[in-house]
Amino acid sequence: GDSVTQMEGPVTLSEEAFLTINCTYTATGYPSLFWYVQYPGEGLQLLLKATKADDKGSNKGFEATYRKETTSFHLEKGSVQVSDSAVYFCALSRGGNNRKLIWGLGTSLAVNP
Amino acid sequence: GAVVSQHPSWVICKSGTSVKIECRSLDFQATTMFWYRQFPKQSLMLMATSNEGSKATYEQGVEKDKFLINHASLTLSTLTVTSAHPEDSSFYICSAPPGLNTGELFFGEGSRLTVL
Repeated sequence: GDSVTQMEGPVTLSEEAFLTINCTYTATGYPSLFWYVQYPGEGLQLLLKATKADDKGSNKGFEATYRKETTSFHLEKGSVQVSDSAVYFCALSRGGNNRKLIWGLGTSLAVNP
Repeated sequence: GAVVSQHPSWVICKSGTSVKIECRSLDFQATTMFWYRQFPKQSLMLMATSNEGSKATYEQGVEKDKFLINHASLTLSTLTVTSAHPEDSSFYICSAPPGLNTGELFFGEGSRLTVL
């Protein structure tokens, strides 16, 4: 069945460091891919998404490219800030169906000043 | 932006009692809401889909008599954990889509249930 695999955390970085959080998926067809973020004390919120191969989602300095050939959707940011400290979840959706979102385990990121 | 609010954010109860968790969409109407459960170091698990005006749709393995879901209005869904036991202790999260089939969801803050 469909699945999402994320790199395990926690990830600890210094401010202005480069961030990569790996996400790979297993799915038939062409799912949509998402990154959600959960800041401390808040609910999950959509960070970015990509709906077809080679699409690049971007928001708040974060980027992720939908790579069909490697079944990956790695999250990157060139220079992290303390305010980026949060838990990041990779997810996929088949056919844009909200109910069928498949989630990764989440990766906790801590950015130190 | 759209906001979903859950209440309570945490609750402690005795074994055998029932607990109700509310999920509200604050600035949009939601004919559908989703309830998830999250165990420590595990991913979100979809429990059920709450449908306004009709019965909830439960995922395989989720006891509908244990987890009662009511979607009484376009802005409110409730999850009642009946006759709670320690194994029901978990983090419960609700979400609502701002539109159908977009994949995007707005989430509540989650409710931490501890059953003693």
